[in-house]
This record gives sequence, structure tokens and C-alpha cells, in this order.
Amino acid sequence: GEDVEQSLFLSVREGDSSVINCTYTDSSSTYLYWYKQEPGAGLQLLTYIFSNMDMKQDQRLTVLLNKKDKHLSLRIADTQTGDSAIYFCAVRSNDYKLSFGAGTTVTVRA
Amino acid sequence: EAGVAQSPRYKIIEKRQSVAFWCNPISGHATLYWYQQILGQGPKLLIQFQNNGVVDDSQLPKDRFSAERLKGVDSTLKIQPAKLEDSAVYLCASTPDSYEQFFGPGTRLTVL
Repeated sequence: GEDVEQSLFLSVREGDSSVINCTYTDSSSTYLYWYKQEPGAGLQLLTYIFSNMDMKQDQRLTVLLNKKDKHLSLRIADTQTGDSAIYFCAVRSNDYKLSFGAGTTVTVRA
Repeated sequence: EAGVAQSPRYKIIEKRQSVAFWCNPISGHATLYWYQQILGQGPKLLIQFQNNGVVDDSQLPKDRFSAERLKGVDSTLKIQPAKLEDSAVYLCASTPDSYEQFFGPGTRLTVL
């Protein structure tokens, strides 16, 4: 199956930007997603990008896709305490299956 | 719009016991998924249903796990008998179109 790798932890000061990185192996991936998981909750879709796009911006969120390097990143501008959570990168293959990374735990400090 | 409902939210059992989880997807969503999320890992797909038929169960340990989706709506996932390594959060998700999956809150299973 698809391998999706993420760094495990990120600590950021409130008001700064956060950047979470993800790499994947399947070059035929069609859609790439970022999910947020808060303690005790399910996964919430934050944003997604289609594989023929380089960038997508949605309010404080910016997704960058480098298809050549199979690298996806999520930038959160003006990070707030409510952004503390685990962020999962997920990649959809041609058979519509989602493969998830292990998640990046983001801690926002005052 | 009501979200994906799951019950129970928490379950503690002894190894070799049986357990069942229930999922009610969002109304009208034809596709339903069960995922297993072990602590510190991302969700791993166990089984996918399209209406009441199984699309993919290649990652389901069929010697102990079973799942059904009667009438193409609610679904149950059963483990019999449970092992220590089955301790995880079991997530149910549904989608109308395969682009966005909507996740339930999950059932946290602890096997002692």
C-alpha cells in the first residue's frame, strides 16, 4: 500500500505560522488531504488538494504540493491555541483508498 | 445535518471475550468504512461497504473480525475473540461521493 510519512511533533508559539510536512510514495495519487483530530474526537477534514494543483489557500490554511518530490505541506497562519491537535496527511489512490500518515502532534504555546 | 454516530464510545474487555461496535452513517451516504487506529498511528482501513455489499475487506483479520451492513444503512463490527493487540480506536466513516469521508467520534477499545 501507500507509504505516507510525517514528522511526529511540532511546537509553535501562538501567533506564529505552523508548517506540517508530509511525503508519500504513490505518484498516481489523485487527492491529498489534511485532517485534524482533537482529543477524544474523530477526524475532521481541514482541506484537500487535487494532484494537478500546486497550491490551495483557504483562510489561514495554505496547502503546497510538490508532485515531483511527492511532498505535501500544510501551513497554518497566525496559529492559535485552538489549533493544538494531531494533524493527519492522507492520500487517495486510484482505487479510492485513503492511506494515512501517523499524524503530527501540534502544540501551541503562549 | 447529523454526523456519523458510533456506540459505545468506550469499551473495556478481557482478552478472548467478544465485542461489537455500532455505526450509523450520515443519511444518504452509500459508502461506509471501518478503520482501526492504534495509539500513535494513523487510521488503517479494515473494511469498505458500498450500500450493503463489501467492496474491500483485504485488511480485515477475518479469523476474528466480522462486519455487516444490513439494509445498506447501519453497520456493526465484531471481534471474537479479542486479543491484546486489538486495543485501538475503531472509527467509522461515510461518504456520498468518495471525495470527502465524514468520520464518527470512534469507539475506544481496551483489551486487558
